[in-house]
Amino acid sequence: DSGVTQTPKHLITATGQRVTLRCSPRSGDLSVYWYQQSLDQGLQFLIQYYNGEERAKGNILERFSAQQFPDLHSELNLSSLELGDSALYFCASSVITGAGNTIYFGEGSWLTVV
Amino acid sequence: AQSVTQLDSHVSVSEGTPVLLRCNYSSSYSPSLFWYVQHPNKGLQLLLKYTSAATLVKGINGFEAEFKKSETSFHLTKPSAHMSDAAEYFCVVSEDSNYQLIWGAGTKLIIKP
Repeated sequence: DSGVTQTPKHLITATGQRVTLRCSPRSGDLSVYWYQQSLDQGLQFLIQYYNGEERAKGNILERFSAQQFPDLHSELNLSSLELGDSALYFCASSVITGAGNTIYFGEGSWLTVV
Repeated sequence: AQSVTQLDSHVSVSEGTPVLLRCNYSSSYSPSLFWYVQHPNKGLQLLLKYTSAATLVKGINGFEAEFKKSETSFHLTKPSAHMSDAAEYFCVVSEDSNYQLIWGAGTKLIIKP
């Protein structure tokens, strides 16, 4: 158990809908990352937050947005869903230190868009 | 700029034989290097990491990796493969200056009985 908690574990929704994925980082971790993993595109970095502020942006679509709240949990919002958004969405967290930025992953949220 | 190249998309070995998963990186600064493993339908688990201490790093499940600066490599090895090692392995580089993580494309390890 990495200590990173993601909900829901599985989600099935229709095209055009909106969903929210939630992540609770490990206790004490200030940084949260979101990744998307699909069969055709592999592991893609979406976005990173550090202590509530956006830190880095990857291949995140405009239909997607995220935020990190004062209690450090994070949410990833996916809207106007398309079939191609079906994927495993990972959240990860880390304490940024000078000794190497080890990140720990949650089990992921499986999203199926039908 | 940082980059990571995993030289093999698939590696197939027989159970009980050695495993070698190759990773080369490029980095402008002193990097931190990681190997993660993902078993089928599971999350990503940290196997081991190098952060400028000993160049030979021991990880979980009998894996180890050696940081070779002159070759810019961080290959992952295990003396004897087990069926439970069948998974996808990712090499990751991070520069402490910006804390960004760069991921390799992954290597699928197949274990033959």
